[in-house]
Amino acid sequence: DGGITQSPKYLFRKEGQNVTLSCEQNLNHDAMYWYRQDPGQGLRLIYYSQIVNDFQKGDIAEGYSVSREKKESFPLTVTSAQKNPTAFYLCASSAGDTSFTEAFFGQGTRLTVV
Amino acid sequence: KNQVEQSPQSLIILEGKNCTLQCNYTVSPFSNLRWYKQDTGRGPVSLTIMTFSENTKSNGRYTATLDADTKQSSLHITASQLSDSASYICVVSPFVAAGNKLTFGGGTRVLVKP
Repeated sequence: DGGITQSPKYLFRKEGQNVTLSCEQNLNHDAMYWYRQDPGQGLRLIYYSQIVNDFQKGDIAEGYSVSREKKESFPLTVTSAQKNPTAFYLCASSAGDTSFTEAFFGQGTRLTVV
Repeated sequence: KNQVEQSPQSLIILEGKNCTLQCNYTVSPFSNLRWYKQDTGRGPVSLTIMTFSENTKSNGRYTATLDADTKQSSLHITASQLSDSASYICVVSPFVAAGNKLTFGGGTRVLVKP
């Protein structure tokens, strides 16, 4: 059953703590993305990777880090430098550049600072 | 600046009725426009994707229209069902060789009441 799996579904972070969100896909897609969704706002791109061992900053990369050591996996770390991390995080993948190809989304991780 | 504006922000309709959602964009040059359905707490799922040369595209009870001259799109839901309660997101892709620059609207939240 092909798709994108994000875990955990809910995550709680204490002030000053780093947390890592998992994203795995078995669609054999080259490109993977992380978006942040806040209420009433459009999705905003955090980071994207078009190939293994390479990734690019999106529009709101500050306070976040990623790695792409395997084609199937693209974890996102929310660092303590991210001052307002409470949001819904969505991972997506596509066969190529999303300008031309379909993007498929995971089910999201809701991160809350406590 | 590329922007996608959706209206209304939210609407309530009775089961069995029709409704139309609007999307205006300023993305240029334009490659394609997509409509996604997002259930609460879930990832977006693609409904339609249209290139600049397409005027209309249907997916079951969902029909999207596109006027590339006026930079407007609409999503029409026919004979609404309770399961149509969700947010509907308009996404526009510019015509670029690379860059993954999808621009997301803020969404229209639809509530279908029995």
